[in-house]
Amino acid sequence: GDSVTQMEGPVTLSEEAFLTINCTYTATGYPSLFWYVQYPGEGLQLLLKATKADDKGSNKGFEATYRKETTSFHLEKGSVQVSDSAVYFCALYFNKFYFGSGTKLNVKP
Amino acid sequence: DVKVTQSSRYLVKRTGEKVFLECVQDMDHENMFWYRQDPGLGLRLIYFSYDVKMKEKGDIPEGYSVSREKKERFSLILESASTNQTSMYLCASSSSGQYHTGELFFGEGSRLTVL
Repeated sequence: GDSVTQMEGPVTLSEEAFLTINCTYTATGYPSLFWYVQYPGEGLQLLLKATKADDKGSNKGFEATYRKETTSFHLEKGSVQVSDSAVYFCALYFNKFYFGSGTKLNVKP
Repeated sequence: DVKVTQSSRYLVKRTGEKVFLECVQDMDHENMFWYRQDPGLGLRLIYFSYDVKMKEKGDIPEGYSVSREKKERFSLILESASTNQTSMYLCASSSSGQYHTGELFFGEGSRLTVL
């Protein structure tokens, strides 16, 4: 069946460090891919998305490219800030949503 | 701004109590969902509804029921709360049809503690 696997956390970085959170997926069709972010005490909100292969989603300095050949959708940011501390969820949608288990990011000043 | 509102942010209930979690969306979305979020387990779908009075079981429906009497409102019911239902509950909604982007819009969550 369809599924999403993302790297376990927590990930702890210093401010201005480079961030990568790995996400791979298994899908029987051609899904849309998403990254959601959950800030402390809040619900999830959409960070970025890509609907077809080779699409790049971007928002707030974060980027992820839909790689069909490696079935991946890794999240990257060139320079993280303390305000980026949150839990990040990778997800795919193909008739139904499948979420990864979430990766907690802690950014230290 | 689009909005999904969950009526209670924090609840504390006793074992055996009946618990109602309410969710309202103002986007005229057809689809509404209830998820449960637990550390290390991510989000697990409890129930969803694609129309008024329609409901479908998700991955973990046991111990829960739902009600959707109006398009904008989707309620999650714990008939007899148990300690293993202590969790964060997230409501979400999405559109359907030709304009469906697959995006889910979430409420802020309801943290339930069952003692």
